[in-house]
Amino acid sequence: AQSVTQPDIHITVSEGASLELRCNYSYGATPYLFWYVQSPGQGLQLLLKYFSGDTLVQGIKGFEAEFKRSQSSFNLRKPSVHWSDAAEYFCAVGPPRRGGADGLTFGKGTHLIIQP
Amino acid sequence: SAVISQKPSRDICQRGTSLTIQCQVDSQVTMMFWYRQQPGQSLTLIATANQGSEATYESGFVIDKFPISRPNLTFSTLTVSNMSPEDSSIYLCSAETLTTEAFFGQGTRLTVV
Repeated sequence: AQSVTQPDIHITVSEGASLELRCNYSYGATPYLFWYVQSPGQGLQLLLKYFSGDTLVQGIKGFEAEFKRSQSSFNLRKPSVHWSDAAEYFCAVGPPRRGGADGLTFGKGTHLIIQP
Repeated sequence: SAVISQKPSRDICQRGTSLTIQCQVDSQVTMMFWYRQQPGQSLTLIATANQGSEATYESGFVIDKFPISRPNLTFSTLTVSNMSPEDSSIYLCSAETLTTEAFFGQGTRLTVV
């Protein structure tokens, strides 16, 4: 069965510092990989996704993620965080064929706290 | 990407009652899904809403408790039946097409008292 591990429940970063959120997955094949952000009281917003091609993908809000097949990882990075980045971040995996009758499997999330 | 509207955005319900949550997408989509996010937890897939046929439920979720309808390509409902405090969660609708990633509604925050 597929699974997603986000080992850091909480991360505190100073404003302007760099950020890396970890995500490891277990899946039978190379899955579709996603990072979503959830601000308090809000739904989920897609930051970026990966299925194939360049293993370094760029997303919105200055985020990027790198897919490493050998490590089954898809870590999210940002070179300089802003106070508005404080939110819950979810890594998710889905089957490689989108539009099928399979939803996504989410990690438990990482709560990002920004220190002034 | 398409926009999903969920109603209600929040509700407080008495135990033993039922609540129906509506999910409306502003364009036709291939798949629609319902997720539950319990307090402080991640999202768990409840079921896939199939147009014109019975929903496909994940392990631990049953139709009697969470009946789902999907009468067309843009609309679905989830009912939380015979509610108990343990059903207090955020319920999120999600939709996909063959060429887009999953996008989500704002969620329905349900509190059962």
